[in-house]
Amino acid sequence: KNQVEQSPQSLIILEGKNCTLQCNYTVSPFSNLRWYKQDTGRGPVSLTIMTFSENTKSNGRYTATLDADTKQSSLHITASQLSDSASYICVVSANSNYQLIWGAGTKLIIKP
Amino acid sequence: DAGVIQSPRHEVTEMGQEVTLRCKPISGHDYLFWYRQTMMRGLELLIYFNNNVPIDDSGMPEDRFSAKMPNASFSTLKIQPSEPRDSAVYFCASSLVAGTDTQYFGPGTRLTVL
Repeated sequence: KNQVEQSPQSLIILEGKNCTLQCNYTVSPFSNLRWYKQDTGRGPVSLTIMTFSENTKSNGRYTATLDADTKQSSLHITASQLSDSASYICVVSANSNYQLIWGAGTKLIIKP
Repeated sequence: DAGVIQSPRHEVTEMGQEVTLRCKPISGHDYLFWYRQTMMRGLELLIYFNNNVPIDDSGMPEDRFSAKMPNASFSTLKIQPSEPRDSAVYFCASSLVAGTDTQYFGPGTRLTVL
């Protein structure tokens, strides 16, 4: 069964600190993996998208990594800011159709 | 571009009533998606369209739900009759192509069925 699991479920860190969010997937055949940021009360916004051949992709202070062998991805946030408080969702696409498999998300809270 | 537009932003209705949610995708996008988000189940794809044609509606929970896309700039999601368990945030998203393309989400409609 195609699944995407994220950890931790929630995370609280102090402003300025770094953090790493994890995503494990069992999706086959794999097409691409995306990270979305969802602010409270808003729709998800794409941060990064990686295909099978890409190991890392950055978007400002956000860096996503992908290990297609172990089927793991991480999202690293550097020098966190209060505006980083949001849910971060890992989404995996399978080749067979356009169905996206969404993770449950990690709720990140940045405290001053 | 104004992005994906959804209306209403909030809807409160009573059980048994008909609810219609509206979406205007980004101009030029060929794909339109309807999602439902709840705390328990996260984001779920309900249905998606390609060039105004429904491609996959396997996520539509039951016959009470229906979606239409009469033209490239407008889509509706209708629930009739509504039930309290339909309470959720409904998102519309659009993209240029399938596969590796990014989906752009609207602000969502928060539906409460009493």
